[in-house]
Amino acid sequence: QVQLQESGPGLVKPSQTLSLTCTVSGGSISTGSQYWSWIRQPAGKGLEWIGRIYASGSTNYNPSLKSRVTISVDTSKNQFSLKLTSVTAADTAVYYCARGTDIVEVGSWFDAWGRGTRVIVSS
Amino acid sequence: DIQMTQSPSSLSASVGDRVTITCQASQDISTYLNWYQQKPGKAPKLLIYDASNLETGVPSRFSGSGSGTDFTFTISSLQPEDIATYYCQQYDDLPLTFGGGAKVDIK
Repeated sequence: QVQLQESGPGLVKPSQTLSLTCTVSGGSISTGSQYWSWIRQPAGKGLEWIGRIYASGSTNYNPSLKSRVTISVDTSKNQFSLKLTSVTAADTAVYYCARGTDIVEVGSWFDAWGRGTRVIVSS
Repeated sequence: DIQMTQSPSSLSASVGDRVTITCQASQDISTYLNWYQQKPGKAPKLLIYDASNLETGVPSRFSGSGSGTDFTFTISSLQPEDIATYYCQQYDDLPLTFGGGAKVDIK
């Protein structure tokens, strides 16, 4: 059974870059038509999809964050990563990585999630 | 973006009660709708996919229905372990979007 684990700094200064990595175990990141997403959740609020990447390197981003987000993949390490630039307090949230599979053109459901990592943006 | 509106945002019910949550999409999304359960401090867990399909291992007291713009999530007999926030999510168009959540408590 595939497992995902987020890692990265828990504290980032305003205007700096947030960098997180998700390590996938129990399965290959390159399997079939799977995609790998980042999703975030500010404290007490709902879920926001940040973007996704396929093993091929193809990406899709939420337009609300597109100018600041880069998602990359390292298939040799079975990892994918998130970079979010020019962070502000509004980027403080729990960040989850998750797996989806293309069922229709746009995607499908998230059937595997990491435990989440809390990132605080503060000086 | 497709907006997903859930109601109610919170509810309290007794053990054994039938609980219903609705999710309305801002445009027709066919059956491209999923439901997740999130317990405090935990990651969301997939319960229902493609509007009405029960994920493997999920108790049969959970169910989903609907198509187009209107969807319903039901717990047929509320159990203490069902205390959580429930989210709907659409996959008809990018960006993938979630509803605002419905928090379920025990009365």
